[in-house]
Amino acid sequence: EIVLTQSPGTLSLSPGERATLSCRASQSVSSSSLVWYQHKPGQAPRLLIYGASSRATGIPDRFSGSGSGTDFTLTISRLEPEDFAVYYCQQFGSSPPYTFGQGTKLDIK
Amino acid sequence: QVQLVESGGGVVQPGGSLRLSCAASGFTFSGFGMHWVRQAPGKGLEWVAFIRYDGSKKYSADSVKGRFTISRDNSKNTLYLQMNSLRGDDTAVYYCAKGFCSGGGCCYDYWGQGTLVTVSS
Repeated sequence: EIVLTQSPGTLSLSPGERATLSCRASQSVSSSSLVWYQHKPGQAPRLLIYGASSRATGIPDRFSGSGSGTDFTLTISRLEPEDFAVYYCQQFGSSPPYTFGQGTKLDIK
Repeated sequence: QVQLVESGGGVVQPGGSLRLSCAASGFTFSGFGMHWVRQAPGKGLEWVAFIRYDGSKKYSADSVKGRFTISRDNSKNTLYLQMNSLRGDDTAVYYCAKGFCSGGGCCYDYWGQGTLVTVSS
């Protein structure tokens, strides 16, 4: 089973700042398999990035994904108030289990 | 628009059973694989189970294998999760999620709002 480790666990930043979230896999993952979601309390998770770097429909261009192999990054170029949430990476490989990272909580500083 | 509406959650005693449903609308349900994902209180997301678009293949996480069964009724546009031998660590919000695969990879492009299952005596 592929284990995804996200860092940091919590990131405290102010609106307007840049956020860099990391997702590290225990073994090499195809870039097409790496997905990022945003999750706010009481809401359904929201797809942000698929295939490591492709933005989902309607996602603002301040969100970008990059990486390959075992190291992947979600970057939010300039934080808006609505961006403060928990972010999860997921590996959606050719066979299950389709594991998630433990999440990074993005807090308002 | 795509809608996924879960139901069937509630409070159940350890060892008990529950069946969750997910009513789908706004897309061709029979054309997509479907998943269940859960989130225990204060924890992250955990993939639970997957069923292919036609029901021909099913997979589940080791943590629920032999206790939970995923199924679907394409004539009713509904996904199910039969949960037996429930334990305290099954307490979670259960989400159904629509799988989507393209040349760029696979993901969950739509999620339901979730239904809470509490296992407690």
